[in-house]
Amino acid sequence: QLQLQESGPGLLKPSETLSLTCTVSGGSFNSGSVYWGWIRQSPEKGLEVLGIMSYNGRPYTPSLKSRVILSLDTSKTQFSLNLSSVTAADTAVYYCVRYTGSSSRAFDYWGQGTLVSVSS
Amino acid sequence: DIVMTQSPLSLPVTPGEPASISCRSSQSLLQSDGNNYLTWYLQKPGQSPQLLIYLGSNRASGVPDRFSGSGSGTDFTLKISRVEAEDVGVYYCMQAMSSPATFGPGTKVDI
Repeated sequence: QLQLQESGPGLLKPSETLSLTCTVSGGSFNSGSVYWGWIRQSPEKGLEVLGIMSYNGRPYTPSLKSRVILSLDTSKTQFSLNLSSVTAADTAVYYCVRYTGSSSRAFDYWGQGTLVSVSS
Repeated sequence: DIVMTQSPLSLPVTPGEPASISCRSSQSLLQSDGNNYLTWYLQKPGQSPQLLIYLGSNRASGVPDRFSGSGSGTDFTLKISRVEAEDVGVYYCMQAMSSPATFGPGTKVDI
């Protein structure tokens, strides 16, 4: 059974950079038919897709484009999110997810989520 | 971005009775390949969202057959034929017709 687990700091100060890592276990990571990404959830904005990327493709970061960097480490079956210049508006639960891509375009596996708070 | 709306936003249900949630998109989700890129998720209390329905009407693996999805274009419906206590939570629809994928505001279902 595929499992995703987020890790990273839970509290940041404004202007800092948020760095989260997702570790994937129990399934294939290097498949060209799936993508790995990040979704966040807040009471204000609901569920928001931050970005996705495949193991051999370019990342796609529709939200917060200039502030988001996605990366993959296939040797460790991990992928990461970096979100720069955080503000209180970035306070949310962050989920790492698997996206099925062209076949069905669904987020079929989710991590348990990690709460990130931004406060001075 | 495509805007997703849902109704109702709150739905009291009775175990054993049917329930229905509506989802509408600001643009058609029907692609030329014949697929509607509409997905349903359930977020149970204290949990991450879980995939229920993809491509408008296909149940995800392990999803009970009391759940069904229907609709095409801009209007979609999620139906629960007989609600069970474990079905409580917030239901979200999501479009993946165009990037970025966007979610509806959610429908809270409780008993």
